[in-house]
Amino acid sequence: EPEVTQTPSHQVTQMGQEVILRCVPISNHLYFYWYRQILGQKVEFLVSFYNNEISEKSEIFDDQFSVERPDGSNFTLKIRSTKLEDSAMYFCAAGGLAGNEQFFGPGTRLTVL
Amino acid sequence: AQSVTQPDIHITVSEGASLELRCNYSYGATPYLFWYVQSPGQGLQLLLKYFSGDTLVQGIKGFEAEFKRSQSSFNLRKPSVHWSDAAEYFCAVGDGGSNYKLTFGKGTLLTVNP
Repeated sequence: EPEVTQTPSHQVTQMGQEVILRCVPISNHLYFYWYRQILGQKVEFLVSFYNNEISEKSEIFDDQFSVERPDGSNFTLKIRSTKLEDSAMYFCAAGGLAGNEQFFGPGTRLTVL
Repeated sequence: AQSVTQPDIHITVSEGASLELRCNYSYGATPYLFWYVQSPGQGLQLLLKYFSGDTLVQGIKGFEAEFKRSQSSFNLRKPSVHWSDAAEYFCAVGDGGSNYKLTFGKGTLLTVNP
């Protein structure tokens, strides 16, 4: 089965610091996504990325967030100035083949202190 | 806007018993429906999906789900639960537009008693 990888598995940071979460999606997929899951809550869509640009973003994805795919393989999510409420599990996903199925990475647990 | 409701937050069954996890969705067009499973500390694994065609879909690990348009439901079933099935289960509806983003339910935590 295709695999999406994410690094780091756990990131601890101080409030106000910048973090970059990394994902290596499946190379021949077309759409890339970030989702997050606050502890005990449901998985929420953050942003989708297609053809090297954001195709859709949710209300959560404000100016503090950005995504890029700088080298055609890594897909990153940057949070410029983290807040306590950014603490969550962040999942990367890749899709676009085989009828909209998305493959999820194992997630990065972000803890903001 | 699309939405998913999983009415049961937590279900406990005995090993060997049958299982049904409920999922109701709201979506304006023909939905793309998914069930994912998440074990503790793990990512999301796709169990099965419905795009079109036969409304009874088979998935991995012996799971199946039935799409019922009249009830806006996509319930997940398994005839005999194994202890290793203990996990959290998420139903999701996919945006059939250009982005295919997923909207998830809040999940159902399954506990399996020996």
